[in-house]
Amino acid sequence: DIQMTQSPSSLSASVGDRVTITCRASQGIRNDLGWYQQKPGKAPKCLIYATSSLQSGVPSRFSGSGSGTEFTLTISSLQPEDFATYYCLQYNGYPWTFGQGTKVEIK
Amino acid sequence: EVQLVESGGGLVQPGGSLRLSCAASGFTFSSYSMCWVRQAPGKGLEWVANIKHDGSEKHYVGSVEGRFTISRDNARNSLFLQMDSLRAEDTALYYCAREWFGELSPWGQGTLVTVSS
Repeated sequence: DIQMTQSPSSLSASVGDRVTITCRASQGIRNDLGWYQQKPGKAPKCLIYATSSLQSGVPSRFSGSGSGTEFTLTISSLQPEDFATYYCLQYNGYPWTFGQGTKVEIK
Repeated sequence: EVQLVESGGGLVQPGGSLRLSCAASGFTFSSYSMCWVRQAPGKGLEWVANIKHDGSEKHYVGSVEGRFTISRDNARNSLFLQMDSLRAEDTALYYCAREWFGELSPWGQGTLVTVSS
């Protein structure tokens, strides 16, 4: 199975901060990676697919980059509604696997 | 509006069975692959299984292989997950999601499965 190592597991940041979350794959996955946001008590929501393609309706402050084994999600200017848990998902090989999540909290 | 609504969760004893359903509306169900993702209480997301648009191909995570069966009825716009030989570690909120080239969107609200004696 492809292991996805996500870091950090949590972070504290202030409104307006630039935030970067990283996912590292145990083997190359081309650009077959997505990012998901989950707020407490809610279903996850797709933010980015194919490493850097923004899902319709997602604010442009979210961006994704990377290829091969290392990928990043960047929030350019953190907003109050962005405090949530973020997960990466690889879909290059079965079984698909999620990172363990990054909880973004208010500083 | 594209919508997915899961049902069928509940309390079941270890070794028991449960069948989850996911009713789809607002899109051409038969054109999309579908999947199940679960989340144990307080834990992260785990991809469970997926099925191609025509049911021709199915994949599972190793921990459920041989115990869970994913299926669909395109005439009824419905996705299913038959869960047999349930274990305590299968306790989770189970989500269905529409899949398009690896993109999972949207997701249902989830149905809770609790395996306990």
